[in-house]
Amino acid sequence: EPEVTQTPSHQVTQMGQEVILRCVPISNHLYFYWYRQILGQKVEFLVSFYNNEISEKSEIFDDQFSVERPDGSNFTLKIRSTKLEDSAMYFCASRVQGNRGSPLHFGNGTRLTVT
Amino acid sequence: DQQVKQNSPSLSVQEGRISILNCDYTNSMFDYFLWYKKYPAEGPTFLISISSIKDKNEDGRFTVFLNKSAKHLSLHIVPSQPGDSAVYFCAASGYGSARQLTFGSGTQLTVLP
Repeated sequence: EPEVTQTPSHQVTQMGQEVILRCVPISNHLYFYWYRQILGQKVEFLVSFYNNEISEKSEIFDDQFSVERPDGSNFTLKIRSTKLEDSAMYFCASRVQGNRGSPLHFGNGTRLTVT
Repeated sequence: DQQVKQNSPSLSVQEGRISILNCDYTNSMFDYFLWYKKYPAEGPTFLISISSIKDKNEDGRFTVFLNKSAKHLSLHIVPSQPGDSAVYFCAASGYGSARQLTFGSGTQLTVLP
């Protein structure tokens, strides 16, 4: 079964550094998402992306965050200047259609640790 | 923001018995509900969903019930198996925000052999 793949599985960075989290969504999917889960807390929506632009973003997704689909297969999340509170599990997800009946397929996540 | 609530952080059930996981929501705009299962070191995996026009949806051992008037849904697993041990997340989406999901905090289900 096709999968959403995320790399790296674990990223350790120092506060203030830039990180790029990478995702390869399922190939025929058109809608892409980033979610995060801080340890012990809920899975939280960050941003959705369709047709090469952001379609929705949460209040968490401030100017320090950006997303890009640099080619036909990758979908990246960049954090420009990481803070300690950015430490979390970051999940990429994709879906084939944008309607609510089309479930999101999640990757296994990247654990980001900011020291 | 507690729009989707799972009040039981954990649940233990004997193998072969029924597991019932509960979820409450407060946002009347939600009209589509999903359950995801998550194993450690993996992402959430879609399990089953229900639209607000229905009150029940069944898929094998999994049944989701929706009570719109009470803003409550539940996931029933019958019979429970040890491989069902995982964290179960309830999620909802609404007409005003068709592209994102709002998740509950999850319930850790442990099925004892």
